[in-house]
Amino acid sequence: AQSVTQLDSHVSVSEGTPVLLRCNYSSSYSPSLFWYVQHPNKGLQLLLKYTSAATLVKGINGFEAEFKKSETSFHLTKPSAHMSDAAEYFCVVSDGVLARSNTGKLIFGQGTTLQVKP
Amino acid sequence: DAGVIQSPRHEVTEMGQEVTLRCKPISGHDYLFWYRQTMMRGLELLIYFNNNVPIDDSGMPEDRFSAKMPNASFSTLKIQPSEPRDSAVYFCASSFVVQETQYFGPGTRLLVL
Repeated sequence: AQSVTQLDSHVSVSEGTPVLLRCNYSSSYSPSLFWYVQHPNKGLQLLLKYTSAATLVKGINGFEAEFKKSETSFHLTKPSAHMSDAAEYFCVVSDGVLARSNTGKLIFGQGTTLQVKP
Repeated sequence: DAGVIQSPRHEVTEMGQEVTLRCKPISGHDYLFWYRQTMMRGLELLIYFNNNVPIDDSGMPEDRFSAKMPNASFSTLKIQPSEPRDSAVYFCASSFVVQETQYFGPGTRLLVL
């Protein structure tokens, strides 16, 4: 069964410093992995996705994530935090396209709240 | 495209009343998903449709919840009767193919008094 664990429920950084949001996944098959962001009182917006192409995935607003199969990780990073990055971030996993147990479901992590201090 | 559209954006009702949430997916998307988000349980998938047909409703909490998709451009999620514990933000999302990017609507914030 697929699952995803976001290792930190809350991360606080200063503006201009690097951001690291950690995510580990469990999947029986080749997974698709996503990071979504949710700003206060807003819907979820896709930041980036991994679908078995390049292991380093670049997303919007300067975010990127690296797929590491050996570590079953898909951590989200950004070199320099901006005040507007303050939001909740969700790591998401789904079955691979060839999975027999393809259910069409996305499995969401519990979310990491990113606080950016001036 | 205008993106996924949900209405109403906010709903306040009293316990026992019927609540209907509406969603218009992105044109051309074959999959539509209904989610519920609460502080306690996070984001939960309630039900999803493929080509207007319900595929998996195992996340629907009780018989009080029902969802329909009469055509490719419209879906409803109904709660009857509503209870205070149904208070949450309900999101609709759509995607072109299964397991690919889901595009979320802005959500409906429901408060049941």
